[in-house]
Amino acid sequence: DAGITQSPRHKVTETGTPVTLRCHQTENHRYMYWYRQDPGHGLRLIHYSYGVKDTDKGEVSDGYSVSRSKTEDFLLTLESATSSQTSVYFCAIRPDRGVVNTEAFFGQGTRLTVV
Amino acid sequence: AQKITQTQPGMFVQEKEAVTLDCTYDTSDPSYGLFWYKQPSSGEMIFLIYQGSYDQQNATEGRYSLNFQKARKSANLVISASQLGDSAMYFCAMREGRDSSYKLIFGSGTRLLVRP
Repeated sequence: DAGITQSPRHKVTETGTPVTLRCHQTENHRYMYWYRQDPGHGLRLIHYSYGVKDTDKGEVSDGYSVSRSKTEDFLLTLESATSSQTSVYFCAIRPDRGVVNTEAFFGQGTRLTVV
Repeated sequence: AQKITQTQPGMFVQEKEAVTLDCTYDTSDPSYGLFWYKQPSSGEMIFLIYQGSYDQQNATEGRYSLNFQKARKSANLVISASQLGDSAMYFCAMREGRDSSYKLIFGSGTRLLVRP
């Protein structure tokens, strides 16, 4: 258990509404990631963070923003949700062990449905 | 272009037999890492095994081994003595970047079903 908590675990929202997903970790790791998982696509990186207020875009960042004001929290916001953003969202952390090839640990996922 | 390719959307294997899940990758970086994750029906992502590009030996972790063929850019996962609990989605992933730019790129996955 890497101490990762995602909230909410399930959410149904209407098109056009803003939505924020939260990822909370208890171990003060620098690196945090948001992925989305869709059938046939595996996991695709949305945004990632390498420290407080340090974030960067992944391969599918359009329509998403992130914030990291504290080490332990990484927030993903859909400014105006669309049906194409219906997906399962995973947060991940990568322990900073001073070795580049450490594995990432994942949260339990958030199932988001946009109707 | 696909950086991680898993060509088997679904596979069956008989319990107690071995199975190989294919993964090919594309990178020009001489330093990279390859990972396999398992996702059971409950949805969590479970790290299985890792192979570094400079590792001389193929990685092994219990019943899991990674058949790393660098020249062919393949990193196939071999599961020996399959168990019913091995039924799951399996994802191959490759590390891109270092330190602050580190990210994992995933393949589309292979669904494995173990038959009793």
